[in-house]
Amino acid sequence: GAVVSQHPSRVICKSGTSVKIECRSLDFQATTMFWYRQFPKKSLMLMATSNEGSKATYEQGVEKDKFLINHASLTLSTLTVTSAHPEDSSFYICSARPTGAHGYTFGSGTRLTVV
Amino acid sequence: AQSVTQPDIHITVSEGASLELRCNYSYGATPYLFWYVQSPGQGLQLLLKYFSGDTLVQGIKGFEAEFKRSQSSFNLRKPSVHWSDAAEYFCAVGAGGNEKLTFGTGTRLTIIP
Repeated sequence: GAVVSQHPSRVICKSGTSVKIECRSLDFQATTMFWYRQFPKKSLMLMATSNEGSKATYEQGVEKDKFLINHASLTLSTLTVTSAHPEDSSFYICSARPTGAHGYTFGSGTRLTVV
Repeated sequence: AQSVTQPDIHITVSEGASLELRCNYSYGATPYLFWYVQSPGQGLQLLLKYFSGDTLVQGIKGFEAEFKRSQSSFNLRKPSVHWSDAAEYFCAVGAGGNEKLTFGTGTRLTIIP
């Protein structure tokens, strides 16, 4: 079945530094990927839609300069949290939909802790 | 705008008992509906989905869900739960294609012996 690999699974960084999270579709091509953020005991909040070869579409209230998204190939999207602060600590999850499929496949998530 | 309501934040069920998790949606057209399960610290796993056709959908791990248009509901059921079913369950609605999903707030399922 379709697999989405997300890396790293956990990362701890210092305040003010940047962190890159990768989302790869392993056995299918994805022109569109989605990035979600999940707060503790909360639902998933869509942050942005990543479009291969073009700019990402950000949801209202999401700072595009803080959360940089790059979708340079059909199998890779990256989310970079720039100048991270403790309030950026969260669980980030990506997803993609294989062409022809009706379901979305999710990565295993990245737990970001900013200290 | 589409929305999903999961009225039950937390449900506790005895192992072997039946389960029903509620989901109500709001969507202007025919929705694409999903149920996902999330174990602590993990990503989401698709349990089942509905797009069209038979309104009773079978999924993995013995789960099923029934789409009821008149009630705008898509409740998840399992006849006999196992301790391994303890997790967070999310209902989601989408428009299909590469449209984004809107998630409910989730229902945490606890299984007691």
